[in-house]
Parts: sequence; C-alpha cells; structure tokens
Amino acid sequence: GAVVSQHPSRVICKSGTSVKIECRSLDFQATTMFWYRQFPKKSLMLMATSNEGSKATYEQGVEKDKFLINHASLTLSTLTVTSAHPEDSSFYICSAKTGGKDTEAFFGQGTRLTVV
Amino acid sequence: AQSVTQLGSHVSVSEGALVLLRCNYSSSVPPYLFWYVQYPNQGLQLLLKYTTGATLVKGINGFEAEFKKSETSFHLTKPSAHMSDAAEYFCAVSEGGANSKLTFGKGITLSVRP
Repeated sequence: GAVVSQHPSRVICKSGTSVKIECRSLDFQATTMFWYRQFPKKSLMLMATSNEGSKATYEQGVEKDKFLINHASLTLSTLTVTSAHPEDSSFYICSAKTGGKDTEAFFGQGTRLTVV
Repeated sequence: AQSVTQLGSHVSVSEGALVLLRCNYSSSVPPYLFWYVQYPNQGLQLLLKYTTGATLVKGINGFEAEFKKSETSFHLTKPSAHMSDAAEYFCAVSEGGANSKLTFGKGITLSVRP
C-alpha cells in the first residue's frame, strides 16, 4: 500500500510553546488529509479534514486557532499545536487519501506529543 | 450521521482459537466499512474493507469479515489466533465519497494466551 510518513514520532515540549507535526504522502498525491487525536485507551477522534490549497474543516469542539492545519501541497500537511498545554498531550495521527469515491485512506505512524 | 458500536473493550483468546470481534454500525446511506489494527505507539493498518459487492470480505493476516445489512453488523473473524494478532482493533464506517471521513468505534484490545 501507499506510505504516509509522520514526523516527528515523539516530541516533548514546554508549556506555552508551539509544536509542528508533519504528514507526508511519499508515493501518491493526497488531495485530502485527515488529522486525528487519540487519547489513551480511546478511539480516534477526528479533528479536521484538509484539502490541498483550501482551508481545513474542523470538527465541532476543535479550536482552529489552537490546532493550525496547513495543506499547502499534494504531499504535505502540517498540524501546529500553538501555545501547548499539558492537556494537549496525546497521540496525533494523520491519514491521507487521493480523490475518488472508493479510495483508501492511509495512516501515518502517529506522533506522541508530551507537554511538560 | 454514522456511528460504530464495538461492545466490550477487551477480548482474550487462546492461541489457535477462533477470534471474533463484533462491530455494529449505523449509517443513513449504504456504508463503507473497515477494520483496522493498531500496534502500540503506531498508526493504523487496514485489515480489510467492504464497499460494494461480495459481503464476505477477506483481508490480510487471515482475517475476514461479513457485511450483514439486516443485522447492521460487520464482525471480524479469524479461524486460528496467533500471538502476533495481539493488538488494538478498530471498526470504522464512512459514507463514501472523495472527502468522506471515517467514524471509528472505540476499539477492542485482543489478547492472545499461549
């Protein structure tokens, strides 16, 4: 299957700083990318959907000014957690898919964010 | 609106025993259904999916699932569990389409006893 690479895999940052997570589709063009958050022992919660070249669509309850999503190219989307706080500590996962009705979404390996 | 119900949070089987992980869904349109596996601190890997056509779907690692519209179910099975099957399993539903997002169940942890 296609490969989606997420970087970094782990990051520790101080409260009040910002952290950027990258999601790259290595061998296909991703017209749509999704960002999820996963709490321990919990399911994946969709945060936002982004289409290349347009603004991301955020799910209800997700602060768009705190979780900045940029999908500037067909192979790269970034999630920036601004002014991070300990409660933002979580596992963040991206997925990417091409256009088309039945195309599969491929997942990155996730990023473990710890805010201290 | 769409939703997925995975009853129970943990299933434990003996190595070589049948694996059965249950999934029920709700969807306002014909659903696309998926099973994913997640190993610790990793992303999700697709096991199998149902979109249209044959209702019995075979996936990787010997897993299969059957779409039963009348029961709104998509249970995952494997005839003989292997130690390497121990992981977290998620059922998901989408309503298709280019931008379609996945709605996940809460996941089930599968343990395999020697």
